[in-house]
Amino acid sequence: AQKITQTQPGMFVQEKEAVTLDCTYDTSDPSYGLFWYKQPSSGEMIFLIYQGSYDQQNATEGRYSLNFQKARKSANLVISASQLGDSAMYFCAMRGYDYKLSFGAGTTVTVRA
Amino acid sequence: GAGVSQSPSNKVTEKGKDVELRCDPISGHTALYWYRQRLGQGLEFLIYFQGNSAPDKSGLPSDRFSAERTGESVSTLTIQRTQQEDSAVYLCASSSRALDIYNSPLHFGNGTRLTVT
Repeated sequence: AQKITQTQPGMFVQEKEAVTLDCTYDTSDPSYGLFWYKQPSSGEMIFLIYQGSYDQQNATEGRYSLNFQKARKSANLVISASQLGDSAMYFCAMRGYDYKLSFGAGTTVTVRA
Repeated sequence: GAGVSQSPSNKVTEKGKDVELRCDPISGHTALYWYRQRLGQGLEFLIYFQGNSAPDKSGLPSDRFSAERTGESVSTLTIQRTQQEDSAVYLCASSSRALDIYNSPLHFGNGTRLTVT
């Protein structure tokens, strides 16, 4: 079974600054994928970024980057140059051999002008 | 193209009644998932369908919950004898069957908000 831990229930960040959202995971699967999703107040789930367990490079997608430290079992999301539209709930998720995508409890990000 | 479609978007029902929630996945997506999200919480896995394989029902919370899927298309989630603790947003998601199953992101619908009074 997989377990995803997001220890920051809420964070405030100033517009144009960077913010790091923590995610640690626990799995016994040798191969797995790590995902981050954004959920605005509208409720939709928006896929942001993916990191494979065997990927050598940290994933990047525009202003999103994933700080993957396999030995520490962490997959932190970095949002650079925060915008007001980044205010949302962010979920870390993992998929292993059982194909289920298991989610963490989420972190609420509020961007201040 | 069209995304994952769920209906109804909102459903209010009385305790003890049965409800049926519908999900239309993205065309060509072989994998379909149902999740439950209680207010302010994370997503709780319910059930997973992959093609014609037997579904993974390990997340269904009780025998009041069941789900079906016709081939690789529409799925329905049925909750019998609804209870107040069933109140939540029910999210459906689909993904394609890539060579590497791990990197296929799930595409979510907008959910059905179920309120049991």
